[in-house]
Amino acid sequence: SQQGEEDPQALSIQEGENATMNCSYKTSINNLQWYRQNSGRGLVHLILIRSNEREKHSGRLRVTLDTSKKSSSLLITASRAADTASYFCATVPSGTASKLTFGTGTRLQVTL
Amino acid sequence: DAGVTQSPTHLIKTRGQHVTLRCSPISGHKSVSWYQQVLGQGPQFIFQYYEKEERGRGNFPDRFSARQFPNYSSELNVNALLLGDSALYLCASSWGQWAQETQYFGPGTRLLVL
Repeated sequence: SQQGEEDPQALSIQEGENATMNCSYKTSINNLQWYRQNSGRGLVHLILIRSNEREKHSGRLRVTLDTSKKSSSLLITASRAADTASYFCATVPSGTASKLTFGTGTRLQVTL
Repeated sequence: DAGVTQSPTHLIKTRGQHVTLRCSPISGHKSVSWYQQVLGQGPQFIFQYYEKEERGRGNFPDRFSARQFPNYSSELNVNALLLGDSALYLCASSWGQWAQETQYFGPGTRLLVL
């Protein structure tokens, strides 16, 4: 079963615009990670935010975490065509140290 | 440095057959995890191995098995293939045993069961 759900399921924007994706999860966590996947290939780690952090930046990425609402958001600023991919949030549910559980993903399409 | 490698890249099998998928982790990484990703969904955890011992198992039938070798490479075996086993199989490695660490994924093996 999926631990998290991303919203929206699909997002289409123009190059230069910002893209925001949201993730909700079900159980308490130690950290939350975001991954990107291009066209059904392997996943690439983007950013990790710990449960005691509220916001984290990495280049054009900004991630927020609200543990009280069990939700996170990923903002990609000044998007580029190369950002076209599926984006997944992932957590390790309490009591399962070895199991990384992914959400359903947001498919982002950035057009020129 | 080489990333996580997986072989083969693509595979076509028929129902009832057996398949073995292989994964080589990043040098120095001792943990290997396997995930199944069905089209349109997020990856689902199958197994984690650390220091050649199984550390976690997902909700998959006993037809799925895995092992890790002394050089930390790993094999995923699936017996009695079903049509529903068609998916992208991803391998991920990390240095330590905890899934909360950053996982480094390979390109995957795409399995089609006819």
